[in-house]
This record gives sequence, C-alpha cells and structure tokens, in this order.
Amino acid sequence: ETGVTQTPRHLVMGMTNKKSLKCEQHLGHNAMYWYKQSAKKPLELMFVYSLEERVENNSVPSRFSPECPNSSHLFLHLHTLQPEDSALYLCASSQGTLPTDTQYFGPGTRLTVL
Amino acid sequence: AQKVTQAQTEISVVEKEDVTLDCVYETRDTTYYLFWYKQPPSGELVFLIRRNSFDEQNEISGRYSWNFQKSTSSFNFTITASQVVDSAVYFCALSPHGSGNTGKLIFGQGTTLQVKP
Repeated sequence: ETGVTQTPRHLVMGMTNKKSLKCEQHLGHNAMYWYKQSAKKPLELMFVYSLEERVENNSVPSRFSPECPNSSHLFLHLHTLQPEDSALYLCASSQGTLPTDTQYFGPGTRLTVL
Repeated sequence: AQKVTQAQTEISVVEKEDVTLDCVYETRDTTYYLFWYKQPPSGELVFLIRRNSFDEQNEISGRYSWNFQKSTSSFNFTITASQVVDSAVYFCALSPHGSGNTGKLIFGQGTTLQVKP
C-alpha cells in the first residue's frame, strides 16, 4: 500500500449506530488530518494531529471523536450522527504542520446517515 | 480575512480546447503558500502544485501551467489541449504563514471541469 488509505470507502449508518472510520498513511509523515466535504461546500477542516497530539479542533460536535494511536493511523469514531452529517470524509497527512508542508489526501469515506 | 474564491462553479469544454481556472485569494499575511488540487470522481484529492508568495514566476508542467499575480491576488491554472481525463473538480487552497503550526489550509469552493470528447 502506498500513500494514504481509508476504510471503509462507503458507509451507511442509522442515527443510533456507532461506527469508526480508519485512515492509514504510508508516507512517514508526522501530521494527520480529518476533513469533511459536503455537497456544494468547501472542504472543512475538522481535526489536526501532530505527533499523535491534537493541535486543532475546529468546533466539531462531540458526536465525532478522533483518535490517533500513532503517527501512521487516525480514526474517526462516530455516534448518534444526524442526516446532515452525510458527506465525504477525507483524511490527509503531511510531514509537519507548517504552512509549507503539503497535505496528501486519501480517497475518502462516503458516509450516509439515514 | 483569509479567503479563497473560485468564481467558476462549472466549466465545460470540448477536448483539445485550452481552459483556465480562476483563483482569487485574500490574506493579510505577506508570507503565504498557494496550492492546487485535483479531485477526480474517485474522490481522492491529488496535489498538483505549491507556490510561495515570494515566487511570482509562472510554472509549466506538461499541459499544466500556473499564473501567479500578487498584484491581483490571483493564482490561475491553465490546462492546454484538454483531455477527457482532465475532467474533475479542481480546488485552489491558501496556507497563510500566520496560521502558525496548525496545518490550516483554506480551500475555495472548487471548479468542476467537464471535458467532452
């Protein structure tokens, strides 16, 4: 595997379910990100982790809970979601979190909340 | 305010036509970085280019070229002799130096390019 991978690629869940999204990067980077991409909206940064510590949390509702056990893996735990949370969730990684550090993205998880 | 505007929501061209995607940004920082990404139907954002605010030289990579004009706060992207495989959503993004060490990238709304055979 190369680059940034995400599983699952598609997920359908009910509002009472609990599920997790997984991201893995094979680039030796130290920073990882979660973004939300809704229809007709710009990409929204949700969380940033640098060396497994959260450095940014963009006012995301608590029903989204990130976890970064090591610099190669990032999870997004989901519980009691709303239909408006249906979106493409993209993971990215970069060498660091400086403005010069290019972010490389995974293919995303398409989430549908019923 | 920090902002990126891609005024063109959708563009449709016929194969082999040249097409320019516009990007206008706003920032008070004197040091910043600009990016272009391509998002094909598969969903993954593919990095195309990074440019810092002190380098106003235009760049060419194959059929792709970028025109950075600080005076008009624009960073436009031109595809020459477009091909069907260029069909995708293209995003321009800004990373202001003043964002510190948080990895913050500000994206535009994206431009959907459709290249017809």
